[in-house]
Amino acid sequence: DQQVKQNSPSLSVQEGRISILNCDYTNSMFDYFLWYKKYPAEGPTFLISISSIKDKNEDGRFTVFLNKSAKHLSLHIVPSQPGDSAVYFCAASADFGNEKLTFGTGTRLTIIP
Amino acid sequence: DAGVIQSPRHEVTEMGQEVTLRCKPISGHNSLFWYRQTMMRGLELLIYFNNNVPIDDSGMPEDRFSAKMPNASFSTLKIQPSEPRDSAVYFCASSLWGASTDTQYFGPGTRLTVL
Repeated sequence: DQQVKQNSPSLSVQEGRISILNCDYTNSMFDYFLWYKKYPAEGPTFLISISSIKDKNEDGRFTVFLNKSAKHLSLHIVPSQPGDSAVYFCAASADFGNEKLTFGTGTRLTIIP
Repeated sequence: DAGVIQSPRHEVTEMGQEVTLRCKPISGHNSLFWYRQTMMRGLELLIYFNNNVPIDDSGMPEDRFSAKMPNASFSTLKIQPSEPRDSAVYFCASSLWGASTDTQYFGPGTRLTVL
């Protein structure tokens, strides 16, 4: 009953190219979405978020796209850099402002120099 | 600020033993969260507190798990008795007010291995 799904456990991308990480959700009550990044032996750190009233949010090299009808969001990183190699978690919450986050299983991104 | 502090960083124990994980949230933060990370299920929320009061413990797997927050600067997650399937990385996180729009700051985690 995984409500937030990241179907690609791993992804390898050449340095300088675009990385696209995908996330699907099943709960139509989710209205706020986040991406967290995690390096080995460290806790996850917040990367970027988007509310359901938007379909795109951009922060430097990172852009999150939200397709509500498809219950799908994606994280684009361009250009990809070696320091982007990490595990990326997608998360969602219902009732805008509700503190409870539901996370996906993560995608390990490897940037090839 | 030192960030969220967790101890121990690693814990190896035998099945049946009691395990206590500790967390010190960021000073001034009012919400505290306990998560468990496994390969199969990713990051799962176990329980969270707001102003030291447990708000939602629906993620706690079973009665063997318990969590307390006796004051604003300290929380524990206890497993008694521990089982091999409890092996995972346990994270503590804190946020200012607990809303999803507030950034959750995670500690480095405790890697628990139950033999």
